[in-house]
Amino acid sequence: AQTVTQSQPEMSVQEAETVTLSCTYDTSESDYYLFWYKQPPSRQMILVIRQEAYKQQNATENRFSVNFQKAAKSFSLKISDSQLGDAAMYFCAYNQGATNKLIFGTGTLLAVQP
Amino acid sequence: EAGVTQSPTHLIKTRGQQATLRCSPISGHTSVYWYQQALGLGLQFLLWYDEGEERNRGNFPPRFSGRQFPNYSSELNVNALELEDSALYLCASSWRQGARTGELFFGEGSRLTVL
Repeated sequence: AQTVTQSQPEMSVQEAETVTLSCTYDTSESDYYLFWYKQPPSRQMILVIRQEAYKQQNATENRFSVNFQKAAKSFSLKISDSQLGDAAMYFCAYNQGATNKLIFGTGTLLAVQP
Repeated sequence: EAGVTQSPTHLIKTRGQQATLRCSPISGHTSVYWYQQALGLGLQFLLWYDEGEERNRGNFPPRFSGRQFPNYSSELNVNALELEDSALYLCASSWRQGARTGELFFGEGSRLTVL
């Protein structure tokens, strides 16, 4: 069965610093997508960044980038120049192919200290 | 453009009762997904509806059910409520293959508390 594991329940970072959130996954498929979602307090979850498994180049979206290690089944999120608005729960997710179903990890709660 | 809307925002029920949660997708989206977000468990996939049909179902008992209406809105029904059903229920919408590329648009959720 496909699983997504986030081993850091909580993380903290100083404003303007860089933080990395970890995620590992397990799958036997070769073609899939990986995602990071952000869920701010009492607000809607939004897609932060996505990575297609067949692309070797790591995805980047402004201050957000990923380190995708396909062989190790690792997919970490790096947030550079952290801002107060980055404080949120972050979920790693994997797409289960033809079932059109997203499998989510348990989340990492990120606090940003001023 | 209106986003995904869910109602009610909060719902309090007692064990054994039934709960009905509602979701209106973004205009143009045909797929609706339901997720349960219980404390410490992340998001657990419940149901996927597209074009009025149930397309996939997560590992939940049959007392979790739902439907999608011709206008693509959806409702989730939970029968014979148990204490462990207390959670935030999130609805998301997309075009049919939106989940494959992660382009789900989420509502703010309905908080169900079972006493």
